[in-house]
Order: sequence, then structure tokens, then C-alpha cells
Amino acid sequence: KAGVTQTPRYLIKTRGQQVTLSCSPISGHRSVSWYQQTPGQGLQFLFEYFSETQRNKGNFPGRFSGRQFSNSRSEMNVSTLELGDSALYLCASSGDNTGELFFGEGSRLTVL
Amino acid sequence: QKEVEQDPGPLSVPEGAIVSLNCTYSNSAFQYFMWYRQYSRKGPELLMYTYSSGNKEDGRFTAQVDKSSKYISLFIRDSQPSDSATYLCAMAPGGSYIPTFGRGTSLIVHP
Repeated sequence: KAGVTQTPRYLIKTRGQQVTLSCSPISGHRSVSWYQQTPGQGLQFLFEYFSETQRNKGNFPGRFSGRQFSNSRSEMNVSTLELGDSALYLCASSGDNTGELFFGEGSRLTVL
Repeated sequence: QKEVEQDPGPLSVPEGAIVSLNCTYSNSAFQYFMWYRQYSRKGPELLMYTYSSGNKEDGRFTAQVDKSSKYISLFIRDSQPSDSATYLCAMAPGGSYIPTFGRGTSLIVHP
């Protein structure tokens, strides 16, 4: 069974640009969550999608957005990038409502 | 005060030692408790998952939850160099399945 796949793995952007990250969940999983991981703050929850609807949202500004498609694949977008957005962005899928998450390897974003 | 507190370490132990990793929390609504292991440049992987209080054992790993003290632990017996990683505790309230993570403890097991 294939795991969670995230693309791209690494990317470098400059301040003010926007970025789109992609996530393909485990087959059959309908819930997809996104997390930001930094050395200073650890893993912070961005949002969760279930059946194409945003079901939960963390405390991030509106520059961070996401969506989920009918095949459960998800994308997240960050607009007007800031230096502080440099982080590892992790996608996780879940097959049931127990909080058991299966993570991808992440997309490492560097903002210059 | 953060909802979940975890000492970032690093914790350095010799091979074969018993390792104790801990988290404290403040939200009494947490019902689900998890431990994830994260190797460098990889995503976290679920190690242990428990519901409410008590102990759970899986091979060399034992998870303990003490809800009265708001304290959870992960014990690793006969630690191996391959156990060197960052260990993240996570917990979620009943009825909401979005876990809150600790910042992680870096563990180094040296031969």
C-alpha cells in the first residue's frame, strides 16, 4: 500500500511569491491534514479536509489556504511569502476519526 | 504555558539502556495519546497509540498514561542506535481528532 506522497520535496522561493504544495493521501483515506514544522514552534496544525470540505482550521493567517479534490488529493497554498514561512510542511492522512495520522515526508520550503 | 510540554533534549544514552521520554499537558479533555518517531529529513511515523489511562506495550516500547497527573511516558528497552530520532508526543480530545503535538525530544543512542 503506497504511503502519503508530497511534492515537491524541496523548494526555494523569495519573499512576496506564492507557493502550492501537493499531497496524495493513502488510498481510501478521506481526511487530509496539513502541519507546519519549525525548530522553534514544533508541529503546528494548519487545517484538515474531509470529503472536499475544510473540517478544522488552525491559527494561521489567511495567506495559508488549502483545498481537497474529489479523489482526496489535497493542495495547500501560501501567498505573499514571508521569511518566517520557511519550514517543513507535512501532510498527513487518516482513515478514521481517531487522530491516527500517517505522514508524508514533507515539503521543505525556504523563503529568501 | 503550552498545552503540551516536552523537553527537547538531546537525550544521549549508551546502547542497551532503558530510555524514558515524557510529556506533560494541561488540557484535561485529552483522551487519545500517541507517540510518533521522526528520523532526520523524514515525516513522523506512529509508534504507539493509547486511549485514556493505562499502559500499552509493543515489543521494546511501553507507553504509559497518567491522566490524574496529566503525564505520559514512553519507555524504550534495550535501546539501539537505530532508535536515534526525535520522539513526539501527541494528544487529542474525545470528539475531535486533531492532535496537539509536543515539540519533540531528540534521542541519541551511541554504540
